[in-house]
Amino acid sequence: NAGVTQTPKFRVLKTGQSMTLLCAQDMNHEYMYWYRQDPGMGLRLIHYSVGEGTTAKGEVPDGYNVSRLKKQNFLLGLESAAPSQTSVYFCASSQSQGSREQFFGPGTRLTVL
Amino acid sequence: SQQGEEDPQALSIQEGENATMNCSYKTSINNLQWYRQNSGRGLVHLILIRSNEREKHSGRLRVTLDTSKKSSSLLITASRAADTASYFCATDPGSYGQNFVFGPGTRLSVLP
Repeated sequence: NAGVTQTPKFRVLKTGQSMTLLCAQDMNHEYMYWYRQDPGMGLRLIHYSVGEGTTAKGEVPDGYNVSRLKKQNFLLGLESAAPSQTSVYFCASSQSQGSREQFFGPGTRLTVL
Repeated sequence: SQQGEEDPQALSIQEGENATMNCSYKTSINNLQWYRQNSGRGLVHLILIRSNEREKHSGRLRVTLDTSKKSSSLLITASRAADTASYFCATDPGSYGQNFVFGPGTRLSVLP
């Protein structure tokens, strides 16, 4: 039981390049989330999904796209990376009912030059 | 906009002392949760307190909730060096389409 996994762990991009971050969970959770964490800012929600095939915008969605083609996977895409997207990205998942305790992946550290 | 706000931003104590962190929020909640983040790692859930509860215990953790003041506190008793981490509160509005809001966190250092 791996919980929530993220790939890659680290990535350096040049401005304008694109990339996809992959999140996978094996807990059969309905809800999945992408956050970014910047110093002194806590976690800010980028996009989230309440089920396979559905996605919605969070607090800071601009410059990102997501897809949830399979229940266990949630992909975060950057079409044209900008230095402002330098951050640590966390994926999380939770049940749809009850406490909705969130389970987090280990994070992806992204640097955009 | 951030709803949960932790106080203090940073806290340094000696091993064996108690550590208290506070969280304030702005709107109604279904529950409030505390998470811990070790350096370079993801967040780990510590404890949840529901809006109709006033106090909750889990091991060396004690959480209180005052919905009239929209505030919560996390007390770690008899702290250990391994408790060194950042601690975040997260408010859950409990409504479909409304998501958790995390505060900026309190960075706790426990010195041996």
